[in-house]
Amino acid sequence: DTGVSQNPRHKITKRGQNVTFRCDPISEHNRLYWYRQTLGQGPEFLTYFQNEAQLEKSRLLSDRFSAERPKGSFSTLEIQRTEQGDSAMYLCASSLRGANTGELFFGEGSRLTVL
Amino acid sequence: GESVGLHLPTLSVQEGDNSIINCAYSNSASDYFIWYKQESGKGPQFIIDIRSNMDKRQGQRVTVLLNKTVKHLSLQIAATQPGDSAVYFCAENIGDRGSTLGRLYFGRGTQLTVWP
Repeated sequence: DTGVSQNPRHKITKRGQNVTFRCDPISEHNRLYWYRQTLGQGPEFLTYFQNEAQLEKSRLLSDRFSAERPKGSFSTLEIQRTEQGDSAMYLCASSLRGANTGELFFGEGSRLTVL
Repeated sequence: GESVGLHLPTLSVQEGDNSIINCAYSNSASDYFIWYKQESGKGPQFIIDIRSNMDKRQGQRVTVLLNKTVKHLSLQIAATQPGDSAVYFCAENIGDRGSTLGRLYFGRGTQLTVWP
């Protein structure tokens, strides 16, 4: 499978614990994005990388959230001291800068439940 | 904040009928729009896009119409099939494509249900 891969698909944690999600983009894509989606809502932009550089961050990305893409390939999204409000689907997407369309290729998401 | 929204949260159609899903946006600086389809338990899937210098674009069984005067976007699906059942989102990009493409603002979505 050559699509965007996310792990784990599901994570249940207790409030206050740290969690980390991983995203492996399509191999030739240099742009990588993180979005968050809650039930009944559209995805909300969190941050994006071009290669290893984090170029934009949403104000939704509080200090407890950190994202990295150290070698310009896979990315991790860490949430520290999780809160119940962090429960959501975390979606990763990738794209190729310079492509004719702005199509983002989404993974199937990592669902977080904070108890 | 998000400026994209949808008129109807649900739409039910008979198989074979045409479907029209609407979307309103409020930011006149939006220059690029995309429609995504999201099936249950999956990530959004690209359907079709349109740039602000166009008012219509056609794909396979889908047509997107853009009315910048009233800031309205619609997705038309011809001969709707059961496999089209999903949530449909419109998304907009604001500003310079080169630097901000990817910071898409999504609407709430419309649940399309196709009955046999």
